[in-house]
Amino acid sequence: KQEVTQIPAALSVPEGENLVLNCSFTDSAIYNLQWFRQDPGKGLTSLLLIQSSQREQTSGRLNASLDKSSGRSTLYIAASQPGDSATYLCAVPSGSARQLTFGSGTQLTVLP
Amino acid sequence: DTGVSQNPRHKITKRGQNVTFRCDPISEHNRLYWYRQTLGQGPEFLTYFQNEAQLEKSRLLSDRFSAERPKGSFSTLEIQRTEQGDSAMYLCASFGGAPTDTQYFGPGTRLTVL
Repeated sequence: KQEVTQIPAALSVPEGENLVLNCSFTDSAIYNLQWFRQDPGKGLTSLLLIQSSQREQTSGRLNASLDKSSGRSTLYIAASQPGDSATYLCAVPSGSARQLTFGSGTQLTVLP
Repeated sequence: DTGVSQNPRHKITKRGQNVTFRCDPISEHNRLYWYRQTLGQGPEFLTYFQNEAQLEKSRLLSDRFSAERPKGSFSTLEIQRTEQGDSAMYLCASFGGAPTDTQYFGPGTRLTVL
């Protein structure tokens, strides 16, 4: 059974810092890995999807990497802003339905 | 708006009552998923439809839960005889396959059982 872990559970940084969020998964036979953002009380917004054949994916100030062999992914946020404050979740599809298995998320606070 | 919509956004009910939630997926997407999220946790898979067929159900989906997707369009999730442990955010996602391979989530329905 696939398990996804995210460390740290919470992170607080001053505005302008670069930061890294970590995600690990137990079964390396994945199709892809997805990073989501969730604002309090809201649904999930897809940030980046990395296919299993890719090592990196970039969107603006966000860069996600994937190392299947070690079962790890990182989300790098450059020049953080208060508007980046949210919970960041990683997820991998598994099972015949390709349902997503999520980590518990990292709650990020960027202080002005 | 062509995204996934869910109604109602919030529902407060008393223990023992029945509740029903609705999800309208992106129109051309044939796959639809329901997830449940409790505070401080990531979403957990409940059930999956391909068109109108319910093809997968999680062990989390007890006998009090039922989901439908008539005509392969919108979906409903009903919880009978609600319990306080059912309090959670219920999220719907639709998936259209390649090239995006992305599940698109709705805003969720927040259920509070008193």
